[in-house]
Amino acid sequence: QKEVEQNSGPLSVPEGAIASLNCTYSDRGSQSFFWYRQYSGKSPELIMFIYSNGDKEDGRFTAQLNKASQYVSLLIRDSQPSDSATYLCAVGSTDSWGKLQFGAGTQVVVTP
Amino acid sequence: DTGVSQNPRHKITKRGQNVTFRCDPISEHNRLYWYRQTLGQGPEFLTYFQNEAQLEKSRLLSDRFSAERPKGSFSTLEIQRTEQGDSAMYLCASTQGNTGELFFGEGSRLTVL
Repeated sequence: QKEVEQNSGPLSVPEGAIASLNCTYSDRGSQSFFWYRQYSGKSPELIMFIYSNGDKEDGRFTAQLNKASQYVSLLIRDSQPSDSATYLCAVGSTDSWGKLQFGAGTQVVVTP
Repeated sequence: DTGVSQNPRHKITKRGQNVTFRCDPISEHNRLYWYRQTLGQGPEFLTYFQNEAQLEKSRLLSDRFSAERPKGSFSTLEIQRTEQGDSAMYLCASTQGNTGELFFGEGSRLTVL
């Protein structure tokens, strides 16, 4: 059974601090990894993708991938109240990268 | 620039009725995906199209569900003989090529009474 697991949270983060979100996946052959943000009552929105081991930075977001450990993480620096949302980790299927397996999401709450 | 459009946004129906959802993807996107999301869970893959061809349908999808993309543009998802367990948000997403960088529509929320 292919699985993507995340801590459900909520993860409470003071404004200006770093939020650290973790995700593990079970399919060792996976090659594409995504982080989607979902505000309450809204649809998911892509914020980061990563395909190679190591770090990838985009503004205040850094995605980290370790395929040997089957681990993906997302760091949000200088957290803002507008970052309060559910963050979904998704893994692309080996035969179709758009066929995503999502985790249940981690709720992040940034407190002023 | 129009994004992915879905309608209706909300549908309330009685058990046993048929419902149909429509998705209009971003015009230049050749791949279109349907996902289903229930409260507290991540989206779950249902099916996807490349142009007009339906390439895969999830094994979790019963025969009551059918999807089409007749001209490679808009898509419809029909649920026949709805059950209470079908209550969920049905999400459509589109993209160009084989990538997981999906653009989601706002979803169609189904409530089966």
